[in-house]
Amino acid sequence: EDQVTQSPEALRLQEGESSSLNCSYTVSGLRGLFWYRQDPGKGPEFLFTLYSAGEEKEKERLKATLTKKESFLHITAPKPEDSATYLCAAHSNDYKLSFGAGTTVTVRA
Amino acid sequence: DTAVSQTPKYLVTQMGNDKSIKCEQNLGHDTMYWYKQDSKKFLKIMFSYNNKELIINETVPNRFSPKSPDKAHLNLHINSLELGDSAVYFCASSPYGPPPVYEQYFGPGTRLTVT
Repeated sequence: EDQVTQSPEALRLQEGESSSLNCSYTVSGLRGLFWYRQDPGKGPEFLFTLYSAGEEKEKERLKATLTKKESFLHITAPKPEDSATYLCAAHSNDYKLSFGAGTTVTVRA
Repeated sequence: DTAVSQTPKYLVTQMGNDKSIKCEQNLGHDTMYWYKQDSKKFLKIMFSYNNKELIINETVPNRFSPKSPDKAHLNLHINSLELGDSAVYFCASSPYGPPPVYEQYFGPGTRLTVT
């Protein structure tokens, strides 16, 4: 069965303190690895798609990387507005999208 | 302009009732989805429609019935509501095609509370 595990569950950072979130996946043939951001009371908002090991994508203070077993979301010099739950999801060969439980990031000023 | 919209945003109802949630997308996407997010924040896919045709139907009680009148709309009807149905339900849409697969755009969610 497809499985996506995110760690840590929660991350508290000081403004400017860089860190990384981990997403480990076990799926039957990865077609794509997605990162989403979810704010309280809202739907997930798309951030990145990664398709193959070694691929990297960047957007502002966020950078996503992919290996054959896991993906990392690096947050560089975070600001309070980066506080959110970050979800990763793996799209498998049978076109199913499996989500992790998310990492809740809190950035204090 | 809202890309994916859902109504209602909140739904409080009693056990045994039947209720519907509506979803509309104005992105011109071919594929729409329903997800359930439980209290532990896990998002689980329930259904997926492509051009009004059901393509994914996960292990969901048959009390849940999706209906797609056209490719811009996907409604969710729930019969005989149970306490365990309480959750946030998200509608999403994406372009459809062969790999590479596409990102999904989510609606704001409908918080269903069954009492």
